[in-house]
Amino acid sequence: GDSVTQMEGPVTLSEEAFLTINCTYTATGYPSLFWYVQYPGEGLQLLLKATKADDKGSNKGFEATYRKETTSFHLEKGSVQVSDSAVYFCALTRNSGNTPLVFGKGTRLSVIA
Amino acid sequence: KAGVTQTPRYLIKTRGQQVTLSCSPISGHRSVSWYQQTPGQGLQFLFEYFSETQRNKGNFPGRFSGRQFSNSRSEMNVSTLELGDSALYLCASSSHGQGGEKLFFGSGTQLSVL
Repeated sequence: GDSVTQMEGPVTLSEEAFLTINCTYTATGYPSLFWYVQYPGEGLQLLLKATKADDKGSNKGFEATYRKETTSFHLEKGSVQVSDSAVYFCALTRNSGNTPLVFGKGTRLSVIA
Repeated sequence: KAGVTQTPRYLIKTRGQQVTLSCSPISGHRSVSWYQQTPGQGLQFLFEYFSETQRNKGNFPGRFSGRQFSNSRSEMNVSTLELGDSALYLCASSSHGQGGEKLFFGSGTQLSVL
């Protein structure tokens, strides 16, 4: 079945450091790919998405590029802030039908001043 | 526009009891999905309702059930609670629940089973 694998956390970075969170997927066909973020005590919020190969999703300084050849969707940010501390989830869903989101296990990011 | 509302925010139950959780989706959204979040397993899909019909179901035992009302509000029920049911239960809504569509999540109900 479909699956998403994320790098293990936690990840601890200093403010203004470069962030990469790796995500690879296994799916038949051409899924849509997402990054969701969960701040402490809250539900998940969509951070960015990409629906086809080579698409780049971006939001709030975060970026991720849909790489079909490597089945990857790595999340990057050039300069993290303390307010970026959260749990980040990579997810996929098929573009056809009513299939549910499949999530990775999440990566906790802590940014220290 | 109000977001997805889940009640209660916290619940403490003992083994063998049953529990009902509630979710009110964003106005106009007809699809409601439920997820279980635990530190070990991450987010696992429970089921999805659309226009009062269960449209998808995850790999959970029959103790987990749900329903959706005509106003799109949804409830999930867990009977004969086990310690392993302790988790954050998240509800998400969307317009149609179609592939690639954005989901809007509530803040969840934290269930502790003692």
